[in-house]
Amino acid sequence: ETGVTQTPRHLVMGMTNKKSLKCEQHLGHNAMYWYKQSAKKPLELMFVYNFKEQTENNSVPSRFSPECPNSSHLFLHLHTLQPEDSALYLCASSQDMAGGAYEQYFGPGTRLTVT
Amino acid sequence: QKEVEQNSGPLSVPEGAIASLNCTYSDRGSQSFFWYRQYSGKSPELIMFIYSNGDKEDGRFTAQLNKASQYVSLLIRDSQPSDSATYLCAVNVRGSSNTGKLIFGQGTTLQVKP
Repeated sequence: ETGVTQTPRHLVMGMTNKKSLKCEQHLGHNAMYWYKQSAKKPLELMFVYNFKEQTENNSVPSRFSPECPNSSHLFLHLHTLQPEDSALYLCASSQDMAGGAYEQYFGPGTRLTVT
Repeated sequence: QKEVEQNSGPLSVPEGAIASLNCTYSDRGSQSFFWYRQYSGKSPELIMFIYSNGDKEDGRFTAQLNKASQYVSLLIRDSQPSDSATYLCAVNVRGSSNTGKLIFGQGTTLQVKP
C-alpha cells in the first residue's frame, strides 16, 4: 500500500447505527486530519492530530468521535448520525513541525450516506 | 469575510489557451499556499505549493504569490480537456495549539473545451 488509504470507500448507515471509518498513511508523516466535503461547500476541517495528540476540534458534534492510536492510523467513529451528515469524508496526512503547514496528501475518501 | 475566497466559476477556456485561477486570503500571517485539483467524485490531488513571493513553475503550471496583496494564482498553459476539474486553493493558518492547518477555498471549476 502506498500513500493514504481509507476504508470503506462507500458506507450507507441508518441513523441509529454505529460505524467507523479507517485511515492509514504510509508516508511517514506525523500529522493526520479528517475533513468533511459536502456538495457546494468548501472542505471543512474536522479534526487534527499531531504525534497522536488531538490539536484541533473544529466544533464538531459529539456524534463524530475521532481516535488516533499512532501516527499512521486514524479512525472516525460514527453514531446516531443525521441525514445532513451525508458527505464525502476525507483523511489527509502531512509533516507538521513547529506550527508550519506542510503539504497534505489525501486519501480517496469515504462516501457516507445516512438514511 | 471568508478566509479563502475563490470564484466558483465555471471558468471556460478553449483547448490550448492559458487558464488563470485566482485566490485571495485574509490571514496576513499565512506563509504556505497550495493548489489542489479535484476531479468529480475523487479526492483532492496536490499539484503546486508556493511559499515565497513571485512565480514558481512546474511543467505547464505556474503558481504566483503576492503576499502584500494577499492573493495567489495558478496559471495553466496549453490547457487540455483533461485539466477540466475543480481547483482548490488552500492557505495555512496557525491552529489553536500552534499546529498549522489549511483553510480551503470553495474551489473554481475549470472547463477546457476541445
